[in-house]
Amino acid sequence: DAGVTQSPTHLIKTRGQQVTLRCSPKSGHDTVSWYQQALGQGPQFIFQYYEEEERQRGNFPDRFSGHQFPNYSSELNVNALLLGDSALYLCASSPPRHYGYTFGSGTRLTVV
Amino acid sequence: AQTVTQSQPEMSVQEAETVTLSCTYDTSESDYYLFWYKQPPSRQMILVIRQEAYKQQNATENRFSVNFQKAAKSFSLKISDSQLGDAAMYFCACLKQGSQGNLIFGKGTKLSVKP
Repeated sequence: DAGVTQSPTHLIKTRGQQVTLRCSPKSGHDTVSWYQQALGQGPQFIFQYYEEEERQRGNFPDRFSGHQFPNYSSELNVNALLLGDSALYLCASSPPRHYGYTFGSGTRLTVV
Repeated sequence: AQTVTQSQPEMSVQEAETVTLSCTYDTSESDYYLFWYKQPPSRQMILVIRQEAYKQQNATENRFSVNFQKAAKSFSLKISDSQLGDAAMYFCACLKQGSQGNLIFGKGTKLSVKP
C-alpha cells in the first residue's frame, strides 16, 4: 500500500519564477494538508484541501495557492518565488473524519 | 494562538538506555490532540505516538510512552531500550479539535543514539 507520494523530490528555481509541487495521498485518504519546513524549524501549516476546496489556511501570502483533484491528489503552487521560500514542502493526508496524518517525504525547493 | 516549545535542541542516549524528550504547549482550547513525530534523514514525518487531551491515561506504543500533564501543559516522550534506529529529529505537535489540519509543531529535538 503506497503511502503519500510527493514529486519532485528536489527542485531548483530562480527568484520570480513559479513552481508547482504535487502530492498523491495515501489510499483511502480524502484530505490533503501542506506544510513548509524551513531549515532547522518545525513544519508550518500552509493550507488544507478537502472535497476540492481549501478548508483552512495558515499565515501564508496569496502567492501560495493550491488545488485538489477529484482523485484527491493535490498541487501546491507558489508564484513570484522569493529566496525565503527555500524550504522542504511536506504533504500530509488523512482519512475521513480522523486526525491521523500520514506525511510524504517532501519536496526540497531551493530558490536562487 | 497555540504554541509548542521543545527546550532541548539536542539529546544523546546510550543504546539500550532510556531517554525523555520534553515538550510544553500553550492552548486555550479544552479539546485538542498531541503528537510526537519522528523525522529521520529520509525527511518523512513518522507518527510515533498520539494523545487525546480528554484521556487521562498516558498513551503507550511499544517502547514509546508519554507523560501527559494537562494542568502543566506538558507532554514528554519517553523512549525505552533505545535503538540505533531511534536517532532522528523528534517533533512535538498540537492540534485543536475541529482544526482542519493545522498542526502546530515545536522546533524539534535532535536525538543521537550512541552504540
